[in-house]
Amino acid sequence: AQKVTQAQTEISVVEKEDVTLDCVYETRDTTYYLFWYKQPPSGELVFLIRRNSFDEQNEISGRYSWNFQKSTSSFNFTITASQVVDSAVYFCALRTSNTGKLIFGQGTTLQVKP
Amino acid sequence: DAGVIQSPRHEVTEMGQEVTLRCKPISGHDYLFWYRQTMMRGLELLIYFNNNVPIDDSGMPEDRFSAKMPNASFSTLKIQPSEPRDSAVYFCASSLKGLHTEAFFGQGTRLTVV
Repeated sequence: AQKVTQAQTEISVVEKEDVTLDCVYETRDTTYYLFWYKQPPSGELVFLIRRNSFDEQNEISGRYSWNFQKSTSSFNFTITASQVVDSAVYFCALRTSNTGKLIFGQGTTLQVKP
Repeated sequence: DAGVIQSPRHEVTEMGQEVTLRCKPISGHDYLFWYRQTMMRGLELLIYFNNNVPIDDSGMPEDRFSAKMPNASFSTLKIQPSEPRDSAVYFCASSLKGLHTEAFFGQGTRLTVV
């Protein structure tokens, strides 16, 4: 069975702080894909990043970075020097190769205060 | 491309009425997903299609819910009869062929059943 767990329901930080959003996944498949999406207050879902199960290289994009560790089944997302515009709900998602099913975690609401 | 297009954006209906939500995926995309988002349950996968064929409808909550994809450019999600607990935001998403690809989401339909 597939499952994505985002244990942090809400996080509140002050602008310029670093923040890490946790994501733990479960799957029996050996090939799978992980994603992060952002949902700002306007409501749309915006794709941020994709990772393959066979590529454990961490990735950095500006203030965003992602840490993928197969040993702990985690795919964590860090925002460095957070800004008010980062306030949103962030979703981690898992897609397995044998079905194509795309499931999401419960989401983490990030509030960045000025 | 215009992206995934959902209609209507907002729907208010009375309990017991039939509701039909519509989705036009991005041209050339092979997968289409329907999700429901509520505060309590987060982003739930209801059903998804591959090449217009339903693959997994295990997330459809009850027989009152049905989904169709008569062709590659159109899908509907129908609720008959609707109930107040169906109130939620319903998202449609599509993705290219290839399970590694990300899904692109529509703007969502906010359904209120009174």
